[in-house]
Amino acid sequence: GAVVSQHPSRVICKSGTSVKIECRSLDFQATTMFWYRQFPKKSLMLMATSNEGSKATYEQGVEKDKFLINHASLTLSTLTVTSAHPEDSSFYICSATRDGTYEQYFGPGTRLTVT
Amino acid sequence: AQSVAQPEDQVNVAEGNPLTVKCTYSVSGNPYLFWYVQYPNRGLQFLLKYITGDNLVKGSYGFEAEFNKSQTSFHLKKPSALVSDSALYFCAVRDKGPMTTDSWGKLQFGAGTQVVVTP
Repeated sequence: GAVVSQHPSRVICKSGTSVKIECRSLDFQATTMFWYRQFPKKSLMLMATSNEGSKATYEQGVEKDKFLINHASLTLSTLTVTSAHPEDSSFYICSATRDGTYEQYFGPGTRLTVT
Repeated sequence: AQSVAQPEDQVNVAEGNPLTVKCTYSVSGNPYLFWYVQYPNRGLQFLLKYITGDNLVKGSYGFEAEFNKSQTSFHLKKPSALVSDSALYFCAVRDKGPMTTDSWGKLQFGAGTQVVVTP
């Protein structure tokens, strides 16, 4: 199968601090990864497309300076929430596309709580 | 622009009864269609997809979906629901456009349908 992991699964941080979330494809290479945000009982909102070796493509309305994305290898993308505020509290989910296929494989999600 | 509609916020069904979760889509060309399931505080699990070929697609955990081009629908079905099927279900669509870097794999999700299966 195609497994995607996220770390941490849950994080609590203080307002003003930065938090890094890792997304790894464990058994396949992923040139492209995606970062989503999900509010309670709501659908997934695509934040950005992460491309290995190049800059991420952000969706309209997503602050690229606040949500820093780095895709330094074919198996790892990171999302850093900078200067976090309580309104950034959410469930963040990443996904990875196995090169050459049409499917996205999703990570288990990271619950971020900013106090 | 592509879009997906899941008209029901919640579907209630008794265990053992058939389960249907509705999905309609709108795309400019031929679609790639997907169903995912999400359990509380978890990521999404892939159930099945339609890319091409037979309109009836069989997936994981006994689920299937029928692609209906004339009705632009891709309803998810299971002949006999289990209590463990209670979860949030998402339909998603992707255009069969050119696979450029900024459009490759980008999915449009429906709002989700909560399925509640009672014993």
